[in-house]
Amino acid sequence: ETGVTQSPTHLIKTRGQQVTLRCSSQSGHNTVSWYQQALGQGPQFIFQYYREEENGRGNFPPRFSGLQFPNYSSELNVNALELDDSALYLCASSPGGSPSGNTIYFGEGSWLTVV
Amino acid sequence: DQQVKQNSPSLSVQEGRISILNCDYTNSMFDYFLWYKKYPAEGPTFLISISSIKDKNEDGRFTVFLNKSAKHLSLHIVPSQPGDSAVYFCAASAIGDYKLSFGAGTTVTVRA
Repeated sequence: ETGVTQSPTHLIKTRGQQVTLRCSSQSGHNTVSWYQQALGQGPQFIFQYYREEENGRGNFPPRFSGLQFPNYSSELNVNALELDDSALYLCASSPGGSPSGNTIYFGEGSWLTVV
Repeated sequence: DQQVKQNSPSLSVQEGRISILNCDYTNSMFDYFLWYKKYPAEGPTFLISISSIKDKNEDGRFTVFLNKSAKHLSLHIVPSQPGDSAVYFCAASAIGDYKLSFGAGTTVTVRA
């Protein structure tokens, strides 16, 4: 168990709706990254938050947005959902901005199905 | 643009034998490489990593080899055990970068 918790674990939304996914980071970690893993693919980087500021963004449209709170927990918001947004959304927490292997902890993910 | 590629979607190996997983990358700026293991309904967990200044890193039954000139790395698991059955992801990052680039994963099945 990593100490990174995500909610909800599963959800179904209709195309055009909005969704909020939540992540509580590992104690002592101030950095949270979000990844999207579509079926049969590897995780794709969405963005990272470091001390409540966006610290980098992958190739995702602006309808993917996020927040980090003073306790370093984070939210991922997706507006105007499309069928292709159906995926596993993974949250990863770490003590610093750059990856360093065994200090990055992933949550179990939130499965989003868009119908 | 897939910068990290795992061309074998699946691998089946007998218990006790060696599992060899391969990974290729295209970005010459990558300098840190990681392998993650993922069971169903769980998040990826870190397995082993290697910096570009090394060509081999060992941790128990797991060894990662890096060939920078070929932009290729491999993970060896010896001996393979039933609990090793999982999806294995290769990932890479560049100096000072904040993100990991992942391959599509290889599903390993260890047969008794």
